[in-house]
Amino acid sequence: DAGVTQSPTHLIKTRGQQVTLRCSPKSGHDTVSWYQQALGQGPQFIFQYYEEEERQRGNFPDRFSGHQFPNYSSELNVNALLLGDSALYLCASSLLPDPTNEKLFFGSGTQLSVL
Amino acid sequence: DAKTTQPPSMDCAEGRAANLPCNHSTISGNEYVYWYRQIHSQGPQYIIHGLKNNETNEMASLIITEDRKSSTLILPHATLRDTAVYYCIVRVHGANNLFFGTGTRLTVIP
Repeated sequence: DAGVTQSPTHLIKTRGQQVTLRCSPKSGHDTVSWYQQALGQGPQFIFQYYEEEERQRGNFPDRFSGHQFPNYSSELNVNALLLGDSALYLCASSLLPDPTNEKLFFGSGTQLSVL
Repeated sequence: DAKTTQPPSMDCAEGRAANLPCNHSTISGNEYVYWYRQIHSQGPQYIIHGLKNNETNEMASLIITEDRKSSTLILPHATLRDTAVYYCIVRVHGANNLFFGTGTRLTVIP
């Protein structure tokens, strides 16, 4: 049973560029959430996708956008990269709506460095 | 979501019980206490959650005080593989997102 997979594992970009990160949820899961984790901090919620739509969004600018595909996989896009966007980007999957399934399963993340 | 307060770091001897405290004095009646941990270079991993009763699973035990203003995560026999950052989170059941703080860095010492 495959867990949450993210690609690429590492990425280096320069300021102003655009980046796309990818996530495949755990088998059987239909909901994907994205988190940003700066060095030394806990993960911060970016947004969540369910049924190919954004359900909820954290306090992130519109430069951060996403997409969910019919197979439940998801992409995170960041435009006009800033140095401060350097972070570990984590994808988490779950099954909704299922109030008994309260566990989020996280991938190992994509380490983005903006130079 | 209510905020939580955790000590920044703790040490525990291998084989001993690790007791990680968490204060959540502003928790609401419909908010659950969740614990996740993050081992270096990995994503967070779910450990356990509870509302007001004590809970136990194969990984840990969760003790919640009667007034629900604090809780303790117990790893009964810590191993070196338990070295990680442990996050205590309060969350409305079924809410879409988790609010992580900075957690407690637990170091298990041989």
